[in-house]
Amino acid sequence: QSALTQPPSASGSPGQSVTISCTGTSSDVGGYNYVSWYQQHPGKVPKLMIYEVSKRPSGVPDRFSGSKSGNTASLTVSGLQAEDEADYYCRSYAGSNNLGVFGGGTKLTVL
Amino acid sequence: QLQLQESGPGLVNPSETLSLICNVSGGSISIRTDYWAWVRQPPGRGLEWMGSIHYSGGTYYNPYLLSRVTMSVDTSKNQFSLRLSSVTAADTAVYFCSRHTYSYGHYDDWGQGTLVTVSS
Repeated sequence: QSALTQPPSASGSPGQSVTISCTGTSSDVGGYNYVSWYQQHPGKVPKLMIYEVSKRPSGVPDRFSGSKSGNTASLTVSGLQAEDEADYYCRSYAGSNNLGVFGGGTKLTVL
Repeated sequence: QLQLQESGPGLVNPSETLSLICNVSGGSISIRTDYWAWVRQPPGRGLEWMGSIHYSGGTYYNPYLLSRVTMSVDTSKNQFSLRLSSVTAADTAVYFCSRHTYSYGHYDDWGQGTLVTVSS
């Protein structure tokens, strides 16, 4: 099951900005500020890019930013680079009976 | 540097039980704030949280898998394990083990993943 809804694809040219949405409900995205985003290149391990809606781990470029409004979280990638082409997954805490729901993933293509 | 490594059979027969172990090295599994999770990814599809366990033995399972999943922890060996019963072809996936801080936290560290195929 994909509890969170993401667009299957997104694209942009080098240098442009692209925003990926992640829509849930008041029981997950809207109810907690524990949304994280993961980047996954083909055949690789997911990499944490954003946590707690808008915080960046050490080493993640500041071109990556996160936000949330109501039941929808967003990941924005500014100044697109070729290496940003990957799958991106959102994830939200959904309460003590469901620690982690993921989105279905968005394939980001750099044109 | 914390490292996680999954191990277990790469092929499981339908209707049988899938069993995997995640060995944790470079740190203790018995940190009060840490939780240890299994996340799987069917070929060409998205990520699915299966469950998490705390070193104290407390478990949290995906409601959709609740009837088939069991997780356990062995602090003496610094490892935790997954059992998934009554498997079908739909359970074919790459299985990752991961660490998250607090029950609500994000996944900081991941194993490399292991492909498990369900087939006779």
